[in-house]
Amino acid sequence: DADVTQTPRNRITKTGKRIMLECSQTKGHDRMYWYRQDPGLGLRLIYYSFDVKDINKGEISDGYSVSRQAQAKFSLSLESAIPNQTALYFCATSDRPGLEQFFGPGTRLTVL
Amino acid sequence: ELKVEQNPLFLSMQEGKNYTIYCNYSTTSDRLYWYRQDPGKSLESLFVLLSNGAVKQEGRLMASLDTKARLSTLHITAAVHDLSATYFCAVDNQGGKLIFGQGTELSVKP
Repeated sequence: DADVTQTPRNRITKTGKRIMLECSQTKGHDRMYWYRQDPGLGLRLIYYSFDVKDINKGEISDGYSVSRQAQAKFSLSLESAIPNQTALYFCATSDRPGLEQFFGPGTRLTVL
Repeated sequence: ELKVEQNPLFLSMQEGKNYTIYCNYSTTSDRLYWYRQDPGKSLESLFVLLSNGAVKQEGRLMASLDTKARLSTLHITAAVHDLSATYFCAVDNQGGKLIFGQGTELSVKP
């Protein structure tokens, strides 16, 4: 089984709808991250969490919120989706600074 | 603000040739990562470079880090088709927050 899983894998929604993307991990890592990937822009950090009680904004947090329900679970919410939030979203985990991040399979989100 | 720039952004190579991808970054950091992404797939960690002068090699790929020049290179030796993918460098900004380059899309042709 995959160490980092994301649900759903694909989602099409309409402008104004609320949507939640979920991430679960079995690696036992404390640190979890949400990124979005857009063509030509690489990956940009949305939010990150270094433990269950720690939530921090990344480069592009406007329009997004997160919840760290447990060490293993980190959810990303779009309160009112807009078309320019159409992107590929990745969750990642890491054990501590200096070690690489491990990425989930991604969620392809389309906002119409 | 940390900025990370890769070049080239697109690279078409012939099998058997050598080439280098460059990753420049704008502020001090001594932690740099290289990832590979196949089309429609997730990111796979290739190299972790944690100090000035670090060099790592895996198969036909070799990565190095010069923190004084704020430069990392990913060198490809005798390219093969299986290396076709997009390669990203990422720099650690303040303890675990990664700033990614734009990615280099590599195509290796027979």
